[in-house]
Amino acid sequence: NAGVTQTPKFQVLKTGQSMTLQCAQDMNHEYMSWYRQDPGMGLRLIHYSVGAGITDQGEVPNGYNVSRSTTEDFPLRLLSAAPSQTSVYFCASSYSRWREIGGISYEQYFGPGTRLTVT
Amino acid sequence: AQSVSQHNHHVILSEAASLELGCNYSYGGTVNLFWYVQYPGQHLQLLLKYFSGDPLVKGIKGFEAEFIKSKFSFNLRKPSVQWSDTAEYFCAVGSSNTGKLIFGQGTTLQVKP
Repeated sequence: NAGVTQTPKFQVLKTGQSMTLQCAQDMNHEYMSWYRQDPGMGLRLIHYSVGAGITDQGEVPNGYNVSRSTTEDFPLRLLSAAPSQTSVYFCASSYSRWREIGGISYEQYFGPGTRLTVT
Repeated sequence: AQSVSQHNHHVILSEAASLELGCNYSYGGTVNLFWYVQYPGQHLQLLLKYFSGDPLVKGIKGFEAEFIKSKFSFNLRKPSVQWSDTAEYFCAVGSSNTGKLIFGQGTTLQVKP
C-alpha cells in the first residue's frame, strides 16, 4: 500500500491565484481530513469527510473548499490564495472500527504534507 | 467544544533523563486519545492511543501514557530518552461519534547527547 499520498510537495502561489492540493489513500478508509500546521498552533482541522459525498467543516474552513466524489480522493481547493494561507498542509485518513462496548474509534494516518507559500 | 492543551511548548533534556509531557483535554463525551510524533522533516506518526480499558497505555519506542479521567489528562512518559527522540509531540483528542481529531499546540523535545 502507498498509504496516504499528497501532491505537490511544495507550491508557491501569488495572492489571488487558485489551486488544488491533491490527497489520495489506498486503504479504503472512510474518513479523510485536511489539517494545516503553523508554528506554535499545532494542527488545525480545515475540513473532513466521513465518506464519499459527505463533507463538513473543521476549525478553520474559510478560504478552502473540499469535495469527496470517491472513497480514495479528497482534494482541497484554495479559491483565492492569501498570504495567511501560507502553511504546511497535511491530509489524513482513518478507518472506523466498532469496539466491544460500542462507539467508533479512529486513528489517523497522515500524508507527507504540502508546503505552500503565498506571496 | 473540544480543546486540547499541552503544558510544555519546548523541553530540553539530556540523554537518559526521564520525560513527562502534559496533556489536558476538554470534551463532554466519550473520547479517544492519541499521541503523535513528528520527527524533523517528516509527517506525523502514531505513538500510542487510548480507546478504553486499561488506562495505562504502552506505545512504540518505549513510550507510555496514562489516562486519568478525573483530571481529563493523558500525559506521555518515557523513563529514559534518547537523542533520537528529538521531535515534536502532539496530543490529540478524537470524538468517538464523528472521528474528528483536535490537536494540542505541540511540544518540541530536544534531547542533548
